[in-house]
Amino acid sequence: GNSVTQMEGPVTLSEEAFLTINCTYTATGYPSLFWYVQYPGEGLQLLLKATKADDKGSNKGFEATYRKETTSFHLEKGSVQVSDSAVYFCALLHLANDYKLSFGAGTTVTVRA
Amino acid sequence: EAQVTQNPRYLITVTGKKLTVTCSQNMNHEYMSWYRQDPGLGLRQIYYSMNVEVTDKGDVPEGYKVSRKEKRNFPLILESPSPNQTSLYFCASSFPRRGYNEQFFGPGTRLTVL
Repeated sequence: GNSVTQMEGPVTLSEEAFLTINCTYTATGYPSLFWYVQYPGEGLQLLLKATKADDKGSNKGFEATYRKETTSFHLEKGSVQVSDSAVYFCALLHLANDYKLSFGAGTTVTVRA
Repeated sequence: EAQVTQNPRYLITVTGKKLTVTCSQNMNHEYMSWYRQDPGLGLRQIYYSMNVEVTDKGDVPEGYKVSRKEKRNFPLILESPSPNQTSLYFCASSFPRRGYNEQFFGPGTRLTVL
């Protein structure tokens, strides 16, 4: 079946450090891929998306590229801030089955000043 | 302001006492869904609804009920809560199209069942 695997956290970084969160997927066909972010005490919100192979999603300094050959969608940011402290979820949209989203387990990121 | 609201935000209850968590959206979205979030497991879908009077099971529907009598509301009902339903619950809504389904999430309801 369709599934998403994220690197385990928690991840703790200093401000201005480089952040990478790995995400790989298993799916039939070519699903759309997403990163959602959950700030403390809030619900999830969409961070970025990619709907086909080689697409690059970007937002708020974060980037992720849809790699079909490695079935990956790694999230990166070149210089993190304290305000980036959050839980990050990788997700895929099933092509069939009523637009179902499957989420990874989430990666907690803490950025220290 | 476009939003998804949930009530209550926090709830402590006892085993077997029926409860309802309400969810409402003001974006005229067709699709609504309930998830539970547990450490190490991410979000798992409980139930979803493609439109009024159309609901279906997600990955973990046991012990839950839903209804969709109006487009804006999608309550989650626990007829006889048990401690394994202690979790953080999220409602979400969207206007899905083929290959795209950006879901808008509510702020969450933290439920503790003693």
